Amino acid sequence: DIQMTQSPSSLSASVGDRVTIACRASQSISSYLNWYQQKPGKAPKLLLYAASSLPSGVPSRFSGSGSGTDFTLTISSLQPEDFATYYCQQSHSTPRTFGQGTKLEIK
Amino acid sequence: EVQLVEAGGGLVQPGGSLRLSCAASGFTFSSYWMSWVRQAPGKGLEWLANVNRDGSAKYYVDSVKGRFTISRDNAKNSLYLQMTSLRAEDTAVYYCARDETLYGSRTADYWGQGTLVTVSS
Repeated sequence: DIQMTQSPSSLSASVGDRVTIACRASQSISSYLNWYQQKPGKAPKLLLYAASSLPSGVPSRFSGSGSGTDFTLTISSLQPEDFATYYCQQSHSTPRTFGQGTKLEIK
Repeated sequence: EVQLVEAGGGLVQPGGSLRLSCAASGFTFSSYWMSWVRQAPGKGLEWLANVNRDGSAKYYVDSVKGRFTISRDNAKNSLYLQMTSLRAEDTAVYYCARDETLYGSRTADYWGQGTLVTVSS
């Protein structure tokens, strides 16, 4: 199985900050990398797919990059509604493993 | 509007069985692969299984292989997860999700609200 490792596990930041979360795959997954946002008590929401593509309705302050084994999620200017937990997931092969999550908290 | 509504969760004893269901609406159910994902209390997400459009192909994570069975009924727009030999570590919120083909791979683009399964004596 492909292992996904996120860093950091938690992060404190302020509204307006630029934030980057990293995700590393244990083997090459090309660009088959998704990012999800999850707020407490809610289902995950698809934020990015194919490493850098935004689904309809996702604000443009979210961006993604990377290919192969190393990926990043960047939020250009944090908004109050962005404080949540973020997960990466590989969709290269089954089982479609997730990273352990990065909890983004208000400083 | 795409809607996925899970049901069937609850308290079950270790070794017991439970069947979860997921009612889909707002899209052509038979045109999509579907998945189950779970989240133990305070923990991360774990992909469990998915099934193809007509139910003829099913894939599982090792931790549930042989104990859980994913299935679907396209006439009823419903997805199921039959869980047997349940263990305490199966305690989690179980989500169903629609798999959209994006960039050539299947990605869970819509999720239900989840149903809680608690395995305890």
